[in-house]
Amino acid sequence: GAVVSQHPSRVICKSGTSVKIECRSLDFQATTMFWYRQFPKQSLMLMATSNEGSKATYEQGVEKDKFLINHASLTLSTLTVTSAHPEDSSFYICSAPGRSYEQYFGPGTRLTVT
Amino acid sequence: AQSVTQLGSHVSVSEGALVLLRCNYSSSVPPYLFWYVQYPNQGLQLLLKYTTGATLVKGINGFEAEFKKSETSFHLTKPSAHMSDAAEYFCAVTMFSGGYNKLIFGAGTRLAVHP
Repeated sequence: GAVVSQHPSRVICKSGTSVKIECRSLDFQATTMFWYRQFPKQSLMLMATSNEGSKATYEQGVEKDKFLINHASLTLSTLTVTSAHPEDSSFYICSAPGRSYEQYFGPGTRLTVT
Repeated sequence: AQSVTQLGSHVSVSEGALVLLRCNYSSSVPPYLFWYVQYPNQGLQLLLKYTTGATLVKGINGFEAEFKKSETSFHLTKPSAHMSDAAEYFCAVTMFSGGYNKLIFGAGTRLAVHP
């Protein structure tokens, strides 16, 4: 149980375009999901908290207009990187909270902006 | 505010040797502590967690960790390393912020296991 999936696993896009990343909880409902960004050989940085049926809450320094988050249902949250630039290239990981304060993580999405 | 410090960004051990990955935390409230493992280009997998109760916590793949309040530590150990243990390990503490239980991660420790 407690499986979180992400799609796509890898994506390459051109500078200036937008790309959408999906995060799904496969066998449980998640009213909250978290989006992280991880640079090479670094730790995870929390970007935002996604809330089903309401607006996402963003961490300080994260551009909400650039990283659009939509939590459309109890099993799906999406992160859209708008007008992507090479500096947005990174590993994006989502997670959903479990019953005992742990989080279950998706497999991540490698975004490369050329 | 909660924070996590992982001592040693890289640890190298021989196959069969003891694995010790260090984690110290800072928390203004009783902490909930976690160890996660990350293999290359993958998400994080929960190894073990401490919330309440027994301070020695056993996890998957033979790992365990002991919560020591007096030392504010939650070190991860495994008696005998396997080649398959080579990965990145993250210690994390829960922080309640903005109405949510968020995870604060340490910088990570890369474990290398050599024959």
